[in-house]
Amino acid sequence: GNSVTQMEGPVTLSEEAFLTINCTYTATGYPSLFWYVQYPGEGLQLLLKATKADDKGSNKGFEATYRKETTSFHLEKGSVQVSDSAVYFCALSDPWAGGTSYGKLTFGQGTILTVHP
Amino acid sequence: DAGVIQSPRHEVTEMGQEVTLRCKPISGHDYLFWYRQTMMRGLELLIYFNNNVPIDDSGMPEDRFSAKMPNASFSTLKIQPSEPRDSAVYFCASSFTWGDYTNSGTEAFFGQGTRLTVV
Repeated sequence: GNSVTQMEGPVTLSEEAFLTINCTYTATGYPSLFWYVQYPGEGLQLLLKATKADDKGSNKGFEATYRKETTSFHLEKGSVQVSDSAVYFCALSDPWAGGTSYGKLTFGQGTILTVHP
Repeated sequence: DAGVIQSPRHEVTEMGQEVTLRCKPISGHDYLFWYRQTMMRGLELLIYFNNNVPIDDSGMPEDRFSAKMPNASFSTLKIQPSEPRDSAVYFCASSFTWGDYTNSGTEAFFGQGTRLTVV
């Protein structure tokens, strides 16, 4: 079945440091890929997405590129802020196969990011 | 739209009691999901519906858990009887889907969650 693997956390950085959170996936076909963010006490929010190979998703200074050849979707940000402290989840949706499963998201285990001033 | 609405936000109950969690998805969305989040297990998919029909309930931990979606605008997750190990944050999410074999997509929106404590 489909699966998502994220780098082990937690990740602790100083403000303005460069961030990378690794994500790799296993799936057949062409899934869509996502990064979700969860701030303390809240639900998950979509941060960015990419629906086909070589697409780059971006939002709020975060970027991730859909790499089919390495089955990866690593999250990056050039300069993190204290307000970026949160849990980050990589996810994929089943590729369309004419059935009813392609709306389902499979999540990684989440990576806790803490940014210090 | 107000987003996915869950109620209650917090629930404290005694072991053995019945607990009902409620969810109102975003209008027009064709999928609805129930997730459970704990420190130990992370985010777990319990069950999901497509057009009000349950598609996969393999994540429901035991027969004590049941979920219904009587119409497109309402779903419930019921635990009867509740146990302390059911303590967790329960999230409802809804999504819309689009596409075909060459290009497809979906985007899920989460509610704020219900923090359940069973004592």
